[in-house]
Amino acid sequence: DAKTTQPTSMDCAEGRAANLPCNHSTISGNEYVYWYRQIHSQGPQYIIHGLKNNETNEMASLIITEDRKSSTLILPHATLRDTAVYYCIVISGNTGKLIFGQGTTLQVKP
Amino acid sequence: GAVVSQHPSWVICKSGTSVKIECRSLDFQATTMFWYRQFPKQSLMLMATSNEGSKATYEQGVEKDKFLINHASLTLSTLTVTSAHPEDSSFYICSASRGLPYGYTFGSGTRLTVV
Repeated sequence: DAKTTQPTSMDCAEGRAANLPCNHSTISGNEYVYWYRQIHSQGPQYIIHGLKNNETNEMASLIITEDRKSSTLILPHATLRDTAVYYCIVISGNTGKLIFGQGTTLQVKP
Repeated sequence: GAVVSQHPSWVICKSGTSVKIECRSLDFQATTMFWYRQFPKQSLMLMATSNEGSKATYEQGVEKDKFLINHASLTLSTLTVTSAHPEDSSFYICSASRGLPYGYTFGSGTRLTVV
């Protein structure tokens, strides 16, 4: 399974867009990019996923580079409740395993 | 849709006893369920992959005789921590999947404290 690299932590001002980068340079053609977040002492929450194209839903947007080696999760208007650890995960279509890295701790500040 | 219920949310048990944790997919049939363990200030660590009707596949370093996993139906998987010891105290989380690309839904987790 492809590994991902994320910054350890980021800050964002409330109301501003939060852009969380992820590097997955060894991604294969059948591997999806998934984003989850975990708020303290809760189970991870699904945010968004993509294969090749950019995706948008009610929570966020996912921008995947053309070579698929990196992606960016965008929270358009961050709120204090978006403070969490964000995980970028690449999932193999073969194994289907969801392997977590260390993630990015996003702190949204007033 | 895609709700996963995990029970109990917390449990305290005495050293040497066994504890069972249930994971149910409420509104979908889960072809695969995963069990994770998370220690404070650390990321989730995959323990095992559970497929309905077959034996679980354990990750390297996870004792299969200590962490018994049963996936008897498409909506229920259980994790039993046998002969629990204080070092087994952790946050245990399950996840269920209908298969890619539908993604994975997580339970709310179980805080196990062994005293």
